[in-house]
Amino acid sequence: DAAVTQKPRYLIKMKGQEAEMKCIPEKGHTAVFWYQQKQSKELKFLIYFQNQQPLDQIDMVKERFSAVCPSSSLCSLGIRTCEAEDSALYLCSSSQRLGASAETLYFGSGTRLTVL
Amino acid sequence: QQQVRQSPQSLTVWEGETAILNCSYENSAFDYFPWYQQFPGEGPALLIAIRSVSDKKEDGRFTIFFNKREKKLSLHITDSQPGDSATYFCAPPRSAKLIFGEGTKLTVSS
Repeated sequence: DAAVTQKPRYLIKMKGQEAEMKCIPEKGHTAVFWYQQKQSKELKFLIYFQNQQPLDQIDMVKERFSAVCPSSSLCSLGIRTCEAEDSALYLCSSSQRLGASAETLYFGSGTRLTVL
Repeated sequence: QQQVRQSPQSLTVWEGETAILNCSYENSAFDYFPWYQQFPGEGPALLIAIRSVSDKKEDGRFTIFFNKREKKLSLHITDSQPGDSATYFCAPPRSAKLIFGEGTKLTVSS
């Protein structure tokens, strides 16, 4: 079983609705990353946190998403107004620390969002 | 701009054959090349990795060959097994983020 836990596993929303997904990083990890994956293709970076602080995010996240890590044991990613193009697998990952190029990322099984 | 390219997009081999997955990159600053393996319904997991100072890294049936001059590397899976059927990603890190290629979907038929 993945050491990183994501909930819910599946999420179905109507266009225009709000969506929220949660992630419990591996214990002791200080860096948390969110990626978006469509149709099992490449993972697209969304945002990352170090010690609960957001350090980098893409413009799409700034404009339409909300992401927080209120504690080292819980993070969440939200979409304020879902659009069809947001249908994807959202993967949360964590690592022990940020900055070391050889850090291994540990991924959860993801939340599959479908926007109707 | 696609910083990391992988080929082929999909590959089918028979059980026992060697599968060869390719990765090329643009950014000379990449110095560490992990390969992640993803099974359907799961998140990716680190399979094997190589640093740019090396030209080969072996771990059991999995071997990475690295050509720094040509900015290319390949993952060889010898004696392929049905359990190796998965999508494989070359994902060098840059600015703390992993830069994923589009992946190669490998199917091993028995």
